[in-house]
Amino acid sequence: GNSVTQMEGPVTLSEEAFLTINCTYTATGYPSLFWYVQYPGEGLQLLLKATKADDKGSNKGFEATYRKETTSFHLEKGSVQVSDSAVYFCENEKLTFGTGTRLTIIP
Amino acid sequence: NAGVTQTPKFRVLKTGQSMTLLCAQDMNHEYMYWYRQDPGMGLRLIHYSVGEGTTAKGEVPDGYNVSRLKKQNFLLGLESAAPSQTSVYFCASSYSRGRTPQHFGDGTRLSIL
Repeated sequence: GNSVTQMEGPVTLSEEAFLTINCTYTATGYPSLFWYVQYPGEGLQLLLKATKADDKGSNKGFEATYRKETTSFHLEKGSVQVSDSAVYFCENEKLTFGTGTRLTIIP
Repeated sequence: NAGVTQTPKFRVLKTGQSMTLLCAQDMNHEYMYWYRQDPGMGLRLIHYSVGEGTTAKGEVPDGYNVSRLKKQNFLLGLESAAPSQTSVYFCASSYSRGRTPQHFGDGTRLSIL
């Protein structure tokens, strides 16, 4: 089958904490993988992507590594800010999205 | 650069009414998509188009129709609205399917009473 399983939220962290949002996928072959971010009242925006195994996508301090051995694409950030509060979605290239993880950062 | 524009942004309908949601993109993308977003369910693909004049069913197509008469526009129609279609609808477009990221509009919040 073709699916994306994403860490359920909501997630609440203090400012400057370390963030991990888990994402695993099932698919045939090695699909491109994406993380999107959705701010309140807006559509999804691409955050980062990886197109092949061992690729690392990065943007705005966020990183995710495409790991084929664990079929995972976990999102990480070393020090979160209040402005990172949003909903994060993982997607594979088969147009399948995770259910979204709502992140709230407390000052 | 407008990107992907959705109209209207909000709408309230009565059960049984019909309406059309419009999506326009100015990036010359071949691929366009309609999704619905419901709490706890992420985004689900309703219909998509791989080019002008083409449409295809996604995961949840029932109760919706679409048309792509012009490359830049992708219309989503509800012929007879039902309360189960209350949702936030997002349109997206991409250069190719899968390997390139999607560009999303800001959404249409639709309530069916």
